[in-house]
Amino acid sequence: DTEVTQTPKHLVMGMTNKKSLKCEQHMGHRAMYWYKQKAKKPPELMFVYSYEKLSINESVPSRFSPECPNSSLLNLHLHALQPEDSALYLCASSQGLAGQETQYFGPGTRLLVL
Amino acid sequence: GEDVEQSLFLSVREGDSSVINCTYTDSSSTYLYWYKQEPGAGLQLLTYIFSNMDMKQDQRLTVLLNKKDKHLSLRIADTQTGDSAIYFCAESMEGGGNKLTFGTGTQLKVEL
Repeated sequence: DTEVTQTPKHLVMGMTNKKSLKCEQHMGHRAMYWYKQKAKKPPELMFVYSYEKLSINESVPSRFSPECPNSSLLNLHLHALQPEDSALYLCASSQGLAGQETQYFGPGTRLLVL
Repeated sequence: GEDVEQSLFLSVREGDSSVINCTYTDSSSTYLYWYKQEPGAGLQLLTYIFSNMDMKQDQRLTVLLNKKDKHLSLRIADTQTGDSAIYFCAESMEGGGNKLTFGTGTQLKVEL
């Protein structure tokens, strides 16, 4: 089983809303990632968690707040977003961070900020 | 630098072979990946190759790596309409915390 699941599939929110994206994997992976992807562009790394601790924050604005409540779950809390934050948000997981650990991606949440 | 370049678009006829190319600049990359992304979907891992290998074959897919020229290619034999998608190459480096640097993506269109 190499499945990473993400909910919701689609999300529309206003600039004053608070919402959360969820990601789950049951492969026993200890590293989880959030990426942002604009149309026709490659994914851009946002955050990396390793063993439930934040390992990498790629200078992401504070209106994005990640959370890793346990080794299987990764959340991304959204607050006061801007229209330019509209994108596909992808979650991924890997065994670890050794530099040779294949990342498996979820289907993404397509976010539209009005 | 960590620039990874791909041609933007490739069009082939069904049944022909497709070759998608990727060039990278960082010689310390250790693992190179090919991902496929269909419209509205996430990234599907197709295959990967270690940097100490020259070639890897997996059913219809053949990956060639030329380390001297920092050139990676993905050949899809007997291309089908279901192969239409965007293909991203990606590299990761030892000691890089498993960060992936993605190429710009190649949109493959398969015509009947």
